[in-house]
Amino acid sequence: GESVGLHLPTLSVQEGDNSIINCAYSNSASDYFIWYKQESGKGPQFIIDIRSNMDKRQGQRVTVLLNKTVKHLSLQIAATQPGDSAVYFCAETLHTDKLIFGTGTRLQVFP
Amino acid sequence: DAGVTQSPTHLIKTRGQQVTLRCSPISGHKSVSWYQQVLGQGPQFIFQYYEKEERGRGNFPDRFSARQFPNYSSELNVNALLLGDSALYLCASTKDYNTEAFFGQGTRLTVV
Repeated sequence: GESVGLHLPTLSVQEGDNSIINCAYSNSASDYFIWYKQESGKGPQFIIDIRSNMDKRQGQRVTVLLNKTVKHLSLQIAATQPGDSAVYFCAETLHTDKLIFGTGTRLQVFP
Repeated sequence: DAGVTQSPTHLIKTRGQQVTLRCSPISGHKSVSWYQQVLGQGPQFIFQYYEKEERGRGNFPDRFSARQFPNYSSELNVNALLLGDSALYLCASTKDYNTEAFFGQGTRLTVV
């Protein structure tokens, strides 16, 4: 069935380094992708989105890359800060508001 | 502007009871979706309502039901609670189809 998965369950980075969180999706027809950040005890927080007609989108300190050929999505965080520590989810959708989430990657930032 | 608000924030129920969770979307947003997040997993889609009509339903039993009111707020009802219903229940609102979804803080439901 449709699924969104993440390659690395935990990613540890040093403060100031760049972080890359990867995600594989299974439905080649999905047309909209979102990255969410979730801190403990809170709801998912929207970070950045990208549509299938794009392959790169930049925000403040974050960049999302979409490779439709291999059905791969990545989130790049520049100059990672302690406040970036959280679980990150990618989600996909196809012409609806039904988001399909993966299990998430925990990002740990150490000094 | 207020974000998506959910109530209550925490709830403890016993097996067999019924529960109602509430969600108010962001002002101007017409679509509300409900998700269940079990600890350590990603959210799972339960329902989506748009303009007070059900537009999508996930793989959940009939014990789960929802509705959307004229002011676009929504309720999620779960009957005959099971221990496995313990989870964080999240509400998300979107302005229109296929636009960014914003989540509330969730309701933590514990079934004992």
